[in-house]
Amino acid sequence: DAGVTQSPTHLIKTRGQHVTLRCSPISGHKSVSWYQQVLGQGPQFIFQYYEKEERGRGNFPDRFSARQFPNYSSELNVNALLLGDSALYLCASSLETGLYQPQHFGDGTRLSIL
Amino acid sequence: AQRVTQPEKLLSVFKGAPVELKCNYSYSGSPELFWYVQYSRQRLQLLLRHISRESIKGFTADLNKGETSFHLKKPFAQEEDSAMYYCALKDSNYQLIWGAGTKLIIKP
Repeated sequence: DAGVTQSPTHLIKTRGQHVTLRCSPISGHKSVSWYQQVLGQGPQFIFQYYEKEERGRGNFPDRFSARQFPNYSSELNVNALLLGDSALYLCASSLETGLYQPQHFGDGTRLSIL
Repeated sequence: AQRVTQPEKLLSVFKGAPVELKCNYSYSGSPELFWYVQYSRQRLQLLLRHISRESIKGFTADLNKGETSFHLKKPFAQEEDSAMYYCALKDSNYQLIWGAGTKLIIKP
């Protein structure tokens, strides 16, 4: 199993543009979570999806949106990009959403906003 | 407010010395706590979790509810332990709240 895969690995955008990041979970995993990691900080929770439904949303503006597809892959969309959106975006998958479920992470997408 | 604090950004110890990475949390309920590790050029991965009460790669972590801490310990550090370590708390909504991380450097 390739584990959680994310694409693209790197992306450069300018302010005001929009971006779509993609994530494929581990086979059999039904839950996908998205995190933003700014340099020098721990990951910040953005969204969690389970069985194609949003199960949780972090403290991010409405410019951030996501969805999960029938095959459990997921997309994170960010509109009207700001310089502060520059970060590593991590996707994690887990079998379920339970309290004790460990999450498995991808390598992330490095987004740079110019 | 829910919060995870890792007070040390950097911890440097000699090989063979004991290691303790500190993690304190603020949470009103009964949290589930995790330690994640990121080795150089590798992805973030789970090291251990409170519920399992296990020892992974010689590391253990004990939840102290009185001190609201979940410190990670290893009696004898090895060079391959050099990595970035993150403490994380899963809240009642099953969302992970992360500390800022501690970079552990093991000196030969």
